Amino acid sequence: SQQGEEDPQALSIQEGENATMNCSYKTSINNLQWYRQNSGRGLVHLILIRSNEREKHSGRLRVTLDTSKKSSSLLITASRAADTASYFCATDAGGAQKLVFGQGTRLTINP
Amino acid sequence: NAGVTQTPKFQVLKTGQSMTLQCAQDMNHEYMSWYRQDPGMGLRLIHYSVGAGITDQGEVPNGYNVSRSTTEDFPLRLLSAAPSQTSVYFCASTRTPGSYGYTFGSGTRLTVV
Repeated sequence: SQQGEEDPQALSIQEGENATMNCSYKTSINNLQWYRQNSGRGLVHLILIRSNEREKHSGRLRVTLDTSKKSSSLLITASRAADTASYFCATDAGGAQKLVFGQGTRLTINP
Repeated sequence: NAGVTQTPKFQVLKTGQSMTLQCAQDMNHEYMSWYRQDPGMGLRLIHYSVGAGITDQGEVPNGYNVSRSTTEDFPLRLLSAAPSQTSVYFCASTRTPGSYGYTFGSGTRLTVV
C-alpha cells in the first residue's frame, strides 16, 4: 500500500521557473523525507523534516510540512535542466526502519 | 567513494532459477533495506535489517530471503524466480533512521522470463 500520494504525477515547466510538488499521507508520522531519482539511477536523499518542524530549507529547496492536513510540499526555486528527475516523498508511517514511498512526481525542466 | 554498491547491474533469469543480489556499504551503517521499484510506482520494502544478525520482513517479502552476517553486506536471495519479480531492486542504508536519510545503491534491473 502507498502511504504517500504525490501531486501532480507529472509537471513540465520552463527553466528558471519554480516547481512545487505536493505529498499527502494517511497516518501519523515522525518524519517525512524527499528523494530525487534521475532516470535509470538510484534515489538521492534531499531533505528530512520532522513532525515538529514546519519548514526546512536546503539550497534552492524548500520543504513544508502540515501535520494537521497530513501534507507536505517541495518547492524548487529557479529550476535548472539538471533538476529534471522524479521526486518521491517517503514517510516512516510503518516504523522508523520501514520507509513508505509515494508514486512520485516526474518533473521536466524545459530549456 | 563511500556508498552503497549493488551487483550485478543487470540480470536475466529464467522462471524457477535462483540468484543472489549483492549489496555492500562502507559507511558502517547499521540499518539496511531492500526495495523493489515497478514501472510508474514508488518503492516497496522487501526486507530490512537493523544490524548484523537481525532481519525482518517488509511489505512484499514473499519469494525473497535475506541474511546479515556482517555490518557491510546485505544480500537478497530470490529462491525460485517468477515473472512477477521482474523489477528494479534497490539496496539502501542509513546511520540512524529518523535522523538521517537513506543512501541508495544504483540498482539491479532484473528480468525474469
